[in-house]
Amino acid sequence: DQQVKQNSPSLSVQEGRISILNCDYTNSMFDYFLWYKKYPAEGPTFLISISSIKDKNEDGRFTVFLNKSAKHLSLHIVPSQPGDSAVYFCAASARAGKSTFGDGTTLTVKP
Amino acid sequence: EPEVTQTPSHQVTQMGQEVILRCVPISNHLYFYWYRQILGQKVEFLVSFYNNEISEKSEIFDDQFSVERPDGSNFTLKIRSTKLEDSAMYFCASSEVIGAIPYEQYFGPGTRLTVT
Repeated sequence: DQQVKQNSPSLSVQEGRISILNCDYTNSMFDYFLWYKKYPAEGPTFLISISSIKDKNEDGRFTVFLNKSAKHLSLHIVPSQPGDSAVYFCAASARAGKSTFGDGTTLTVKP
Repeated sequence: EPEVTQTPSHQVTQMGQEVILRCVPISNHLYFYWYRQILGQKVEFLVSFYNNEISEKSEIFDDQFSVERPDGSNFTLKIRSTKLEDSAMYFCASSEVIGAIPYEQYFGPGTRLTVT
């Protein structure tokens, strides 16, 4: 039972344009959502998070949107830069501790 | 900036051998985790540890696995008798605890375990 799904394994965008990465979840008990970025041979790096009491959180070029009724969240990167090219993982937690990760989306930003 | 460190970066071991993966979490963090990522697959939760005991573990974390905080700085994952399918990247993570709610998890660079 895959509780966190990232249905797009890859995404390619032009530098300067918007990147939109999507994530769906099934467990209605999840109340905290996170996005991580991962380069090859490195550990995941925390990017941005959102609590279930909010529907939007913004940090610089990164914005996360949460639609609880649709059990959907998305990460927007504007403007996209070549250095943003990495694997992006969506993660969710229901309570203290454990995060459940999605499969990841490989973002490629072309110069 | 404080970071989670892990040693070794790469461990090669023979099937049936015991391995210990070491982690030094961020110093003011109180919640510790181990995750693994088999090549080409998702990051999977193994275990969380808080207040000197396991807080939660996944079905992957069977009797072959154990965790320990032997001193005030290290957090270890032991695999008693390694199997080929234990080959993976193992990530340690830590988080602050504010009001008993852990916040964002900060990951180490990982240890690549290869079981031959």
